[in-house]
Amino acid sequence: NAGVTQTPKFRVLKTGQSMTLLCAQDMNHEYMYWYRQDPGMGLRLIHYSVGEGTTAKGEVPDGYNVSRLKKQNFLLGLESAAPSQTSVYFCASSPRTSGSSYNEQFFGPGTRLTVL
Amino acid sequence: DQQVKQNSPSLSVQEGRISILNCDYTNSMFDYFLWYKKYPAEGPTFLISISSIKDKNEDGRFTVFLNKSAKHLSLHIVPSQPGDSAVYFCAASPKTGANNLFFGTGTRLTVIP
Repeated sequence: NAGVTQTPKFRVLKTGQSMTLLCAQDMNHEYMYWYRQDPGMGLRLIHYSVGEGTTAKGEVPDGYNVSRLKKQNFLLGLESAAPSQTSVYFCASSPRTSGSSYNEQFFGPGTRLTVL
Repeated sequence: DQQVKQNSPSLSVQEGRISILNCDYTNSMFDYFLWYKKYPAEGPTFLISISSIKDKNEDGRFTVFLNKSAKHLSLHIVPSQPGDSAVYFCAASPKTGANNLFFGTGTRLTVIP
């Protein structure tokens, strides 16, 4: 199993350009997430999905859109990139929560994005 | 507003000694707490967790302690090894939602051989 993979690993954009980050998981997980990590800020949740065709906003959703057309893929889009979106982006997935149990999230290796 | 706080950005420990990493939280709705370990250029990997109904969970060299009244948890690593050198993130999840996690800012642990 590859686990959670992210494409691309690195990208440099100019202000105003658009791009899509791809996350794929082969663990048949229901839930998927996009985070960004900035120096001194830890990881912050951008958007998440509890299943195919559903998405929801996290802590810092502005400037991003997401889509979950297939269970195994979760796409993060930047329509008009800004320097403030320079960050490392992590995708994660987890099984569905049932009852009082909790399932940890599994993370991808990250995408380092620089917006000039 | 940071709901999960790690007030020590870095910690250095001699090999073989105990490493203690601390974490504080403000939201009483958090029900589950986790520690993740992160090496450079890699994603975080799950290390150990604890439910709010417990005060201790142990897994090999790693033990997590939870003090709900103080809204404080700590990770103990005994004995510390050079391979433990990494950034450690504390994370918390509320009772509701899709396992959403709120992360602390991380503590960089350096284990000196």
